[in-house]
Amino acid sequence: KAGVTQTPRYLIKTRGQQVTLSCSPISGHRSVSWYQQTPGQGLQFLFEYFSETQRNKGNFPGRFSGRQFSNSRSEMNVSTLELGDSALYLCASSFTPLEETQYFGPGTRLLVL
Amino acid sequence: SQQGEEDPQALSIQEGENATMNCSYKTSINNLQWYRQNSGRGLVHLILIRSNEREKHSGRLRVTLDTSKKSSSLLITASRAADTASYFCATEETSGSRLTFGEGTQLTVNP
Repeated sequence: KAGVTQTPRYLIKTRGQQVTLSCSPISGHRSVSWYQQTPGQGLQFLFEYFSETQRNKGNFPGRFSGRQFSNSRSEMNVSTLELGDSALYLCASSFTPLEETQYFGPGTRLLVL
Repeated sequence: SQQGEEDPQALSIQEGENATMNCSYKTSINNLQWYRQNSGRGLVHLILIRSNEREKHSGRLRVTLDTSKKSSSLLITASRAADTASYFCATEETSGSRLTFGEGTQLTVNP
């Protein structure tokens, strides 16, 4: 069974631009969560989607948004990029939000110049 | 913001030795999980311990949980060079939010 896939793996953007990252969960998994990892703040929860609905949201500004499609694939969008948005963005999936174990993808490394 | 703190921040040992990492957290939890991350790549789930459990084993891993002290420890026995990675604890809080991670321990196992 294929694991969680994230595209693109690497991305370079400039301040003020916007970016869309994609996550395809493990087949059959319907819950997708996003996390941001930076050297300064560590790993932080962004949001979680289940059945195309956002269930939980972390403490991030409105520039960070996401959505989930009917096939459970998820995208996250960051508008008006700032230098501090440079990070590794990780996606994780599980069958349902109640499932304790999440399976993480390899991440998308975003560099904002 | 980080739920917990991990101790030590960095640990360097020789192959064959045991490695112990500690994690503390602040709120009530449903479970605590340990993950491994190699060189800024994705996270690999290692082991989960529920709030009503005190100790759990998986291969060379041993996890303990003390909910009264809000702390956990991960013991890796007979370490190998391939165990070199960052190790994170993560808690699933009773409030229902998704995982909250600690700051991580960078483990280096020297051959």
